[in-house]
Amino acid sequence: GDSVTQMEGPVTLSEEAFLTINCTYTATGYPSLFWYVQYPGEGLQLLLKATKADDKGSNKGFEATYRKETTSFHLEKGSVQVSDSAVYFCALSAPPGGSGGSNYKLTFGKGTLLTVNP
Amino acid sequence: DGGITQSPKYLFRKEGQNVTLSCEQNLNHDAMYWYRQDPGQGLRLIYYSQIVNDFQKGDIAEGYSVSREKKESFPLTVTSAQKNPTAFYLCASSIDRGTNYGYTFGSGTRLTVV
Repeated sequence: GDSVTQMEGPVTLSEEAFLTINCTYTATGYPSLFWYVQYPGEGLQLLLKATKADDKGSNKGFEATYRKETTSFHLEKGSVQVSDSAVYFCALSAPPGGSGGSNYKLTFGKGTLLTVNP
Repeated sequence: DGGITQSPKYLFRKEGQNVTLSCEQNLNHDAMYWYRQDPGQGLRLIYYSQIVNDFQKGDIAEGYSVSREKKESFPLTVTSAQKNPTAFYLCASSIDRGTNYGYTFGSGTRLTVV
């Protein structure tokens, strides 16, 4: 079945450091890929997405490129801020049947906790 | 503005009680989902519904029940059969017509057994 594997945290960085959170996936068909962010005590918010190979999603200084050859969608940011401290989830949406279900359910990774210190 | 509203934000349950968590969306989305999140863990799917009057069990449905009588509403009942209900519960919705669409999430309900 479909699956998402993301690097285990927690990740602790100093302000203005470079961030990479690795995400790889397994899916049949051609999935769309997403990064969600969850701030403390809140729900998940869509951060960025890419719907086909070589697409780059970007938002708020974060970027991720859909790499079909390496089945990856790594999240990067050139200079993190304290306000970026949150849990980040990688996810994929595959066509029905590819995930063993009958609708376009999202498959999530386990999340990576990022803490940015001043 | 369209969105998903979960209520209450905090809920306390006594042992042996059933409690119902509310989830309402005005996005005209077809599909709705309930997830459970425990500290330091990812999301686990409890139930989902693709259409009114129909719903499917997720990975951890035991001790929970749902209904989908209206497109806008997908309440979750945590029954006394759920032995460890203390968790953060998230509701989500989606258009469910293609892989390009992700989920919209509510702000969550934190349930605590007292």
